Amino acid sequence: ETGVTQTPRHLVMGMTNKKSLKCEQHLGHNAMYWYKQSAKKPLELMFVYSLEERVENNSVPSRFSPECPNSSHLFLHLHTLQPEDSALYLCASSQDIGAEVGEQFFGPGTRLTVL
Amino acid sequence: GQNIDQPTEMTATEGAIVQINCTYQTSGFNGLFWYQQHAGEAPTFLSYNVLDGLEEKGRFSSFLSRSKGYSYLLLKELQMKDSASYLCAVKDSNYQLIWGAGTKLIIKP
Repeated sequence: ETGVTQTPRHLVMGMTNKKSLKCEQHLGHNAMYWYKQSAKKPLELMFVYSLEERVENNSVPSRFSPECPNSSHLFLHLHTLQPEDSALYLCASSQDIGAEVGEQFFGPGTRLTVL
Repeated sequence: GQNIDQPTEMTATEGAIVQINCTYQTSGFNGLFWYQQHAGEAPTFLSYNVLDGLEEKGRFSSFLSRSKGYSYLLLKELQMKDSASYLCAVKDSNYQLIWGAGTKLIIKP
C-alpha cells in the first residue's frame, strides 16, 4: 500500500448505529487530518493530529470522536449521527503542520450515508 | 471571517486555455494551494504559491498577488481528462488550510 488509504469506501448507517472510519498513511508523516466534504461546499476541517496529539477540534459535534493510536493511523468513531452528516469524509496527512510544510496528501474518502 | 471565493463552474473547449480565479480574505497568509479533484476521487496537489508571481509546471501555471488577495490557475492545451473540480486553499496564521468551494471545470470537444 502506498499513500493514504481509507476504509470503508462506502458506508450506510442508521441514526442509532455505531461505526468507525479508518485511515492509514504510508508516507512517514507526522500530521493527520479529518475533513468533511459536502456537495458544493468547501472542505470543512474537523480534526488535526500532530504526533498523535490532537491540536485542533473545529467545533465538531461530540457524535464524532477521533482516535489517533500512532502517527500512521487515524480513526473517526461515529455514534447517533443525523441525516445531515451524510457526506464524503476525507483523511489527509502532511509532513508536519508548520508554515514551511508542503502539501497535504488525501485518501480516497469514505462516502457516508445516514438514513 | 475568513473567505475564499472562486467561480462555481466554468466551461472550456479542448485544446484551449482557461483561467480559474480565486480571491481570499484570511487571518494571516502562509501560502496558497491549488488542488484537482476528479469526481469521486481524492483531491490531488497541483501547485503552491507563497511569494508573488507565476509558478509554472507543465501545462499548469499558478499566479499569486498577496497585496490583492488574488490567485489564478491557468490551464493550457486543455485535455478531456482536465474535466474536474479545482480547489483553492489558503494556509492561515494557524497553519490551517481554508478552502474554497471549488470550481467545476467542464471540457467540451
